[in-house]
Order: sequence, then structure tokens, then C-alpha cells
Amino acid sequence: DGGITQSPKYLFRKEGQNVTLSCEQNLNHDAMYWYRQDPGQGLRLIYYSQIVNDFQKGDIAEGYSVSREKKESFPLTVTSAQKNPTAFYLCASRRRDRVPPGNTIYFGEGSWLTVV
Amino acid sequence: AQKITQTQPGMFVQEKEAVTLDCTYDTSDQSYGLFWYKQPSSGEMIFLIYQGSYDEQNATEGRYSLNFQKARKSANLVISASQLGDSAMYFCAMRAQGGKLIFGQGTELSVKP
Repeated sequence: DGGITQSPKYLFRKEGQNVTLSCEQNLNHDAMYWYRQDPGQGLRLIYYSQIVNDFQKGDIAEGYSVSREKKESFPLTVTSAQKNPTAFYLCASRRRDRVPPGNTIYFGEGSWLTVV
Repeated sequence: AQKITQTQPGMFVQEKEAVTLDCTYDTSDQSYGLFWYKQPSSGEMIFLIYQGSYDEQNATEGRYSLNFQKARKSANLVISASQLGDSAMYFCAMRAQGGKLIFGQGTELSVKP
């Protein structure tokens, strides 16, 4: 089945460590996104990419890094520079067409990151 | 700056009644898209409805309709005949030029039996 796969679903990180969250899609979508969600809050955009080998910072990119070497993959690294990384992370993708169903955004199931 | 504002942190509605969730947006783009998503306690994001900035008619999808008022920059979600399973967080989002997708803070809807 087509969709977006995020892994791992739950991750614990020690302070000072970098961790990488995986996001893979087999929908042949051009654009991919990473969001952070804190409890009871909205989604804040970390990074997004519209084509391979290109990505842009979102509203809260500090302490995070990404790569887009393949169309289907958009991994997010949470670095030790991110002071408060405990949150729910959601990956999303979208075709770049303007007409439906290209406008629909597909989400992964999310990854819970906890700093211990 | 592009922004989505949802001013209702929480809403209550009686089962079988209609409810309107507010969303206003700010953008200088001429071409943009507006979305509504539902997020149950499980965390998954469920697509509900989409409205393009050039669409003249309000979008409808089953019990969901989007009240699009372009001059007021509002895109309110109307849920008719509420069901207990509608209890969830609801997010309004905007796709801006350049591909950026931004979300509002969300509204938590509780449906009472």
C-alpha cells in the first residue's frame, strides 16, 4: 500500500546526542515536510523540501538538520543544539499539482522523541 | 508574514447539532490553498476538506463544509450533525506559494451525548 512510513515510533535520547528520524514515502510525491507538535499545540514547520537536493528552513529550524538525497526519503536529525527536543514529530508529503488530489497532504503516523 | 489563526482553543457541541470552527489566515499571495485536518487522540492526521483560493464555490465533503470568505480571509469549517466520533483536535492549514505549509494552533472539539 502507498503511504508514508516514519520510524521509529518511540525514541529516547540522552542529552548531548544526535538522533535521526526516518521518513520514507512511496507515493511519488515531490514535496516533503517535517513538523514538530508539542502537547496540546499546533504543528510547527521545521524544514520542507520541494525537490531532491533542495530544502528550506521552516519556522523552527534551529537545532535540526535534514537531507533530501532521494525523492522518497527525507530524514530529520535532531542535534544536541536543540535545547528542548521532547515532542511529537510528524512527516508529511504532497504532490505539487494544484488540482485534486494533488493538493492533499499525506502524513506519517509520527515519532515520539523523549530526552532522558 | 503568513499566518493561520484559530481563536477557539476548545468547543463543545451536542450530538446531532452543527458546529462551526473558526479559521482566519493572513497572506499576500494570490494563489493559496486551505485545508482542514482532524487529529484524534491517536495522533494521526486525517484530511477533511480543501479549498483553493480561486475556487468560487465553497468546498463540501459529506458532513463537512468550508465557509470560505476571501475578503475576510476566513475559512471556517462547518460540521453538520455532529457525532461522538467527531471529538478530536481540528487544525486549519494553508499552502502558500513556494510550497510552504503552515498550521494553526488547533481547536479541541468535544461532542456531548
